[in-house]
Amino acid sequence: AQKITQTQPGMFVQEKEAVTLDCTYDTSDPSYGLFWYKQPSSGEMIFLIYQGSYDQQNATEGRYSLNFQKARKSANLVISASQLGDSAMYFCARLTSGGSYIPTFGRGTSLIVHP
Amino acid sequence: EAGVAQSPRYKIIEKRQSVAFWCNPISGHATLYWYQQILGQGPKLLIQFQNNGVVDDSQLPKDRFSAERLKGVDSTLKIQPAKLEDSAVYLCASSLGRPKEAQYFGPGTRLLVL
Repeated sequence: AQKITQTQPGMFVQEKEAVTLDCTYDTSDPSYGLFWYKQPSSGEMIFLIYQGSYDQQNATEGRYSLNFQKARKSANLVISASQLGDSAMYFCARLTSGGSYIPTFGRGTSLIVHP
Repeated sequence: EAGVAQSPRYKIIEKRQSVAFWCNPISGHATLYWYQQILGQGPKLLIQFQNNGVVDDSQLPKDRFSAERLKGVDSTLKIQPAKLEDSAVYLCASSLGRPKEAQYFGPGTRLLVL
């Protein structure tokens, strides 16, 4: 199976600092999309940011940016100016094509922001 | 715009019993997903519908799990009979189905099998 790997089970960051959450992926498809989701303790998954495999520029959405290195098959999430409310689980997901768009999620990284 | 609705939110059953979950996606979303999320893991796709057709169900344990999406709108996921290892959160999500479109998730159903 083509995998999504998130090697950091847990990360700690001080409020107002930046943090990078790692994600690497397998794929043999030339066309794919990469997503990051946040899952607070309440349990609901919240979409954060999207990067397409053919996009020339790294995606940004407010305090979230994606460091996309296609040759390395990595799509790291950067959160700038961390806030206490950023404490949550973060999941990287890949959507591959090939006729249908099937999503695969990583195991997640737990982020704790402390004052 | 209303989000993805799921019910029930919590369910406790004994092993070998049956259980059903319901999902109503965001209006106009053609694609509907059911995921199983075991504690400490990422969501695992069980089944994906495009309108009322199945796109992928390769990870659905078909001997005990079934799902349907009648009329291409809401969907039900059933487990019969349940096993202890089915204890998990069952997430429903929907999307417009185009490659760049994000999935929008419901609050999930927490299932405990005793």
